[in-house]
Amino acid sequence: NAGVMQNPRHLVRRRGQEARLRCSPMKGHSHVYWYRQLPEEGLKFMVYLQKENIIDESGMPKERFSAEFPKEGPSILRIQQVVRGDSAAYFCASSPLGAGNSYEQYFGPGTRLTVT
Amino acid sequence: SQQGEEDPQALSIQEGENATMNCSYKTSINNLQWYRQNSGRGLVHLILIRSNEREKHSGRLRVTLDTSKKSSSLLITASRAADTASYFCATDMDTGRRALTFGSGTRLQVQP
Repeated sequence: NAGVMQNPRHLVRRRGQEARLRCSPMKGHSHVYWYRQLPEEGLKFMVYLQKENIIDESGMPKERFSAEFPKEGPSILRIQQVVRGDSAAYFCASSPLGAGNSYEQYFGPGTRLTVT
Repeated sequence: SQQGEEDPQALSIQEGENATMNCSYKTSINNLQWYRQNSGRGLVHLILIRSNEREKHSGRLRVTLDTSKKSSSLLITASRAADTASYFCATDMDTGRRALTFGSGTRLQVQP
C-alpha cells in the first residue's frame, strides 16, 4: 500500500511564474490536507479537501493560491505569480473516510519550492 | 504561545538516555498526535492519543495527555542516534475543522 505521493519533490520557479504541486493520497483515503512549512518552523494548515469539494480553506492566502481535488487524479495546489516568500516546503496529508472523530493524517514527502 | 507549543526547543542527549519532550495547547481537542521529521524530509506519524486517554505506549515511545493542564509529553526511552530528528505535536481542535495545528517542534540530537 503506497503512501502519500507528492511530486515534484523539488521545484524551482522564477518570480512571476506558476507553481503546480501534486498530491496523490493513500489508497482508500478521500480527505486531503495541504500544509506549508517555513524553515525551522512547524507546519501551517492551508486547505482541506474532499473529492471535488473544498471543505476548509481558512489557512490559504486569498490571492494567488488555489487548490483542487478532482474526481479523478491527484489533488493540485496551484500558486500563481510566485514570490520569494512562497519558498517553503509544501506537505500533503491524507486520512480515511469514516474514521470517526479521531483519525491519523499520513504525510507525503513534501515538495520543496524555491523561488528565485 | 501558539496552540501546540513544544518545549524544549532543542535537546541534546547521549545514546541510551531517555528524552522527554512536552507540548502545551490552548483549546479543547479531539486528539493530539506526535510526528517525527528528519532533516529535510517528510513527517512520520508516531502516535495518536485521544482526548479521553491519559497514556499510550508504542515500542520505546510513551505519550501522556493531561487535558486539565492542556499538555502532553513524549518520552523516548533508551534513545538511539537514529532518533535524531525534530518532533512535533499536532492538535486536532474540537471544532470539527479536522485541520491539525502544529507547534514549532523540539529538535532532538542524540549523540552516539
